[in-house]
Amino acid sequence: GENVEQHPSTLSVQEGDSAVIKCTYSDSASNYFPWYKQELGKRPQLIIDIRSNVGEKKDQRIAVTLNKTAKHFSLHITETQPEDSAVYFCAANDYKLSFGAGTTVTVRA
Amino acid sequence: DTGVSQDPRHKITKRGQNVTFRCDPISEHNRLYWYRQTLGQGPEFLTYFQNEAQLEKSRLLSDRFSAERPKGSFSTLEIQRTEQGDSAMYLCASSSLGDGAKNIQYFGAGTRLSVL
Repeated sequence: GENVEQHPSTLSVQEGDSAVIKCTYSDSASNYFPWYKQELGKRPQLIIDIRSNVGEKKDQRIAVTLNKTAKHFSLHITETQPEDSAVYFCAANDYKLSFGAGTTVTVRA
Repeated sequence: DTGVSQDPRHKITKRGQNVTFRCDPISEHNRLYWYRQTLGQGPEFLTYFQNEAQLEKSRLLSDRFSAERPKGSFSTLEIQRTEQGDSAMYLCASSSLGDGAKNIQYFGAGTRLSVL
């Protein structure tokens, strides 16, 4: 089955700086890579996703890059704000998502 | 709220008791998923339905667990003879697989189970 590893487990950044989270996956057949944000006590919410036929996707301050050859993908958040503080999960596969262990992002004001 | 809803939000039970959780997906979503999330970890896939058919079950889903989606709408997850190791957040998600649909999974807020 798919195995997704996520780094770092915690990330503290100064407001306005960028944050980068990296994930690797094992199954070369995986073709869908979503990122979810989960605030304490709330549901995971999709923030951005990318499919295997695209190398990069951007949505305002959030971008995701995918390297299928190396089997890794990354989330980039620019101009971080306090409301970006949350746990972020990467995932891979299509109907049966395999999640990373999560990254706790803290944005310092 | 027209999102995925789960009931109850919290459940405390004694070891050995049976519990049942309910998930109401987004209307007209034909796929429904159950995941389990323990503290400090990402969600782990348990099972999923397409309409009323249960198409796949994870090896995490022991024979004490059973899930149903009898009419292709809401789903229930039952755990029999609960054990302390069953304590976790149980998340439900739904998606729409069809023409033009991207099969994006939308999650509910989960049911937190505590087994004493």
